[in-house]
Amino acid sequence: QVQLQESGPGLVKPSETLSLTCTVSGGSVSSGSYYCNWIRQPPGKGLEWIGSIYYSGSTSYNPSLKSRVSISVDMSKNQFSLKLSSVTAADTAIYYCARGRIQGYFLDYWGQGTLVTVSS
Amino acid sequence: SYELTQPLSVSVALGQTARITCGGNNIRSKNVHWYQQKPGQAPVLVIYRDNNRPSGIPERISGFNSGITATLTISRAQAGDEADYYCQVWDSSTWVFGGGTKVTVL
Repeated sequence: QVQLQESGPGLVKPSETLSLTCTVSGGSVSSGSYYCNWIRQPPGKGLEWIGSIYYSGSTSYNPSLKSRVSISVDMSKNQFSLKLSSVTAADTAIYYCARGRIQGYFLDYWGQGTLVTVSS
Repeated sequence: SYELTQPLSVSVALGQTARITCGGNNIRSKNVHWYQQKPGQAPVLVIYRDNNRPSGIPERISGFNSGITATLTISRAQAGDEADYYCQVWDSSTWVFGGGTKVTVL
């Protein structure tokens, strides 16, 4: 059974960098069949795709966040990570990691999500 | 950038049929996927590639992509179907979500 688990600080100060890690079990981030994705959801709002990474290191980002986002993968730990710089209150959200299938480009497994609040 | 349009809300009587639409430019050319999200939970994939159900999703939930809109249909609606539903496509190397539809079972 594939499981994804987000981890990282729940509180980040404005202008600082948000850092989260997704640990994958029951599957491999080095599989060529999947993308590793980050998605967020502000309180009471809809889903927003942040970006994805392929095992080769190839990345794709939401154009609206591209200048502030970096996603990386650590195959030795079976993890992938998100960094979002220069955060503001508008970045307060539940952050999800999810596995994306290459055949069809859908998200078949999601983490439970972690709330990150941006506040001083 | 590609945009998907969903109604904000849909209401359905218990036991009846709910239909949720998802509109986008030439959407027929895309694979449309649907997610169900209940309060306080992560989204769950309920339909992939227009009309395929993952294991464990009941046959009452179905999808169709006609070319003008994609539609998620919930037949014989139950109280447990109350949730937000999101459509999603892949376009120009990005995953795009619709704004979400809140389904209320009356």
